[in-house]
Amino acid sequence: EDQVTQSPEALRLQEGESSSLNCSYTVSGLRGLFWYRQDPGKGPEFLFTLYSAGEEKEKERLKATLTKKESFLHITAPKPEDSATYLCAVQVRAQKLVFGQGTRLTINP
Amino acid sequence: NAGVTQTPKFRVLKTGQSMTLLCAQDMNHEYMYWYRQDPGMGLRLIHYSVGEGTTAKGEVPDGYNVSRLKKQNFLLGLESAAPSQTSVYFCASSYSSGSETDTQYFGPGTRLTVL
Repeated sequence: EDQVTQSPEALRLQEGESSSLNCSYTVSGLRGLFWYRQDPGKGPEFLFTLYSAGEEKEKERLKATLTKKESFLHITAPKPEDSATYLCAVQVRAQKLVFGQGTRLTINP
Repeated sequence: NAGVTQTPKFRVLKTGQSMTLLCAQDMNHEYMYWYRQDPGMGLRLIHYSVGEGTTAKGEVPDGYNVSRLKKQNFLLGLESAAPSQTSVYFCASSYSSGSETDTQYFGPGTRLTVL
């Protein structure tokens, strides 16, 4: 069974305190791994797509990396506006995404 | 571009009532999807469409029907609402480039409560 697990469920950091979110997956075939950001009461907002082990992508204070079994979302010197729930999803075949349950990130000023 | 829009934003139903959720996209995307999001469950696919006039079942299709009469619209129907269908519903769309990996773009969601 295809499974995506995110950890931790919730993370509270001080402004400027760097950390990483984890997304581990057990799937029959990885066609792509997606990271989304979701603010309360809003829809998921696309951040990154990673296709193969070793790939990295960056956007402002965020950097996503991918290995054969997991992906990390590194947050460097976060600001309060980075507070959100971060979702990881794996595409296992055409039109099928398997989502993790998300990590709720809070950045305190 | 408005992207993906959903109406209504909120709705309260009584058990047994019916309703239709509307999703519209202005990105000329071929593929459209309906998900539900429940606490602790993540996003789960209800139905999807790979083009105008086509629909297919996702992971949790029971109790829902869909239609894609126009390329830009995807409707989700509940014929007889049940309390278990209380959830937040998201529509998404993606562009088919021939690749099997397409980024899905999401709408703002509809919060549905069934009493």
